[in-house]
Amino acid sequence: KQEVTQIPAALSVPEGENLVLNCSFTDSAIYNLQWFRQDPGKGLTSLLLIQSSQREQTSGRLNASLDKSSGRSTLYIAASQPGDSATYLCAAPRNTGFQKLVFGTGTRLLVSP
Amino acid sequence: AAGVIQSPRHLIKEKRETATLKCYPIPRHDTVYWYQQGPGQDPQFLISFYEKMQSDKGSIPDRFSAQQFSDYHSELNMSSLELGDSALYFCASREQGSTGELFFGEGSRLTVL
Repeated sequence: KQEVTQIPAALSVPEGENLVLNCSFTDSAIYNLQWFRQDPGKGLTSLLLIQSSQREQTSGRLNASLDKSSGRSTLYIAASQPGDSATYLCAAPRNTGFQKLVFGTGTRLLVSP
Repeated sequence: AAGVIQSPRHLIKEKRETATLKCYPIPRHDTVYWYQQGPGQDPQFLISFYEKMQSDKGSIPDRFSAQQFSDYHSELNMSSLELGDSALYFCASREQGSTGELFFGEGSRLTVL
């Protein structure tokens, strides 16, 4: 059974800092890994998708890496802004045909002006 | 670009009542997933459909049922509602054979009084 864990559970930083969010998964037989952003009471916005054959993906100030052998992924946010404040979730599907996502516990990020 | 559409966005019901949530996937997406997110919790997988057939089942109560129709939209039916059913219900869709990226709707917030 896939279990996904994220640390830290919460993070508070001043604006402008670079930060790293960590995601660990127990079953390395994953098809891909997705990072999501969720604002309070809102939906899940897909940020980055890394295929199992890839090592990293970049989108603007975001960079996500994947190390299947160690069961880890990191989300790097450069030059953080108050608008980045949200909960960040990673999710990994089993390497099967219908690939339901198993979500991590999330990291709640607060970026102060 | 078209996104996953969920309705209603908000729903208030009394205990023991019935509720139906609807999900319209992105055009050409043939796989639909339902997730439940309780307050402060990460999303939990309920059920999924591929080409109108149930493809996987998670922690969905027996009081809940779902189906996918010929136009690929899906409905989640919840009966004998309990206070603990109050949550955000997300629908997500994916096109099989694509990158595997899952796209989520904005969610339907169910409140059971």
